[in-house]
Amino acid sequence: DQQVKQNSPSLSVQEGRISILNCDYTNSMFDYFLWYKKYPAEGPTFLISISSIKDKNEDGRFTVFLNKSAKHLSLHIVPSQPGDSAVYFCAASAALTGGGNKLTFGTGTQLKVEL
Amino acid sequence: DVKVTQSSRYLVKRTGEKVFLECVQDMDHENMFWYRQDPGLGLRLIYFSYDVKMKEKGDIPEGYSVSREKKERFSLILESASTNQTSMYLCASSTQGQLHYGYTFGSGTRLTVV
Repeated sequence: DQQVKQNSPSLSVQEGRISILNCDYTNSMFDYFLWYKKYPAEGPTFLISISSIKDKNEDGRFTVFLNKSAKHLSLHIVPSQPGDSAVYFCAASAALTGGGNKLTFGTGTQLKVEL
Repeated sequence: DVKVTQSSRYLVKRTGEKVFLECVQDMDHENMFWYRQDPGLGLRLIYFSYDVKMKEKGDIPEGYSVSREKKERFSLILESASTNQTSMYLCASSTQGQLHYGYTFGSGTRLTVV
């Protein structure tokens, strides 16, 4: 049962244009949503997050939008740069009984930004 | 600079061997996690621990066990390695006050079982 879904395994965008990565979820108990970026042979690194009580969060070139009624979030990268080429994972957070949180990840979208 | 360190970047083991993957964090985090990453399947949670000597099964615990004797160290054990356990293994840690930032990940261990 895939609770977090990224339906596009890959996306190709020209440098300077907007990249839009999408993510859908099924569990209404998720309280935070996060995006991670992963280069080959490295661990994922945190990019941006959004609380379930917000609908938008912006950090420089990166903006995350949350549509809670549709259980959908998206990551916008403007303008896209060649260094943004990586795998992007959407993740959803739920509280752990003992404290902290547990992340459930999507399957990832490979973004390629072309010159 | 805070760190999660995985002891090996690459490992090659034989079918049937007992394999230990080690992870150490220096952030005094309560929670530690083991994931595996496979193409088309994303990151899947194997086991996690929210305190010393505590462990909880994740989504795919079969064939694995874990050990957390000290707060900073979380070990993943493959009791009898099989070829379907060939994967990238990622360790992560978090603390309760870090909800905005999720986890800090290690660089991963690429395990090949032959």
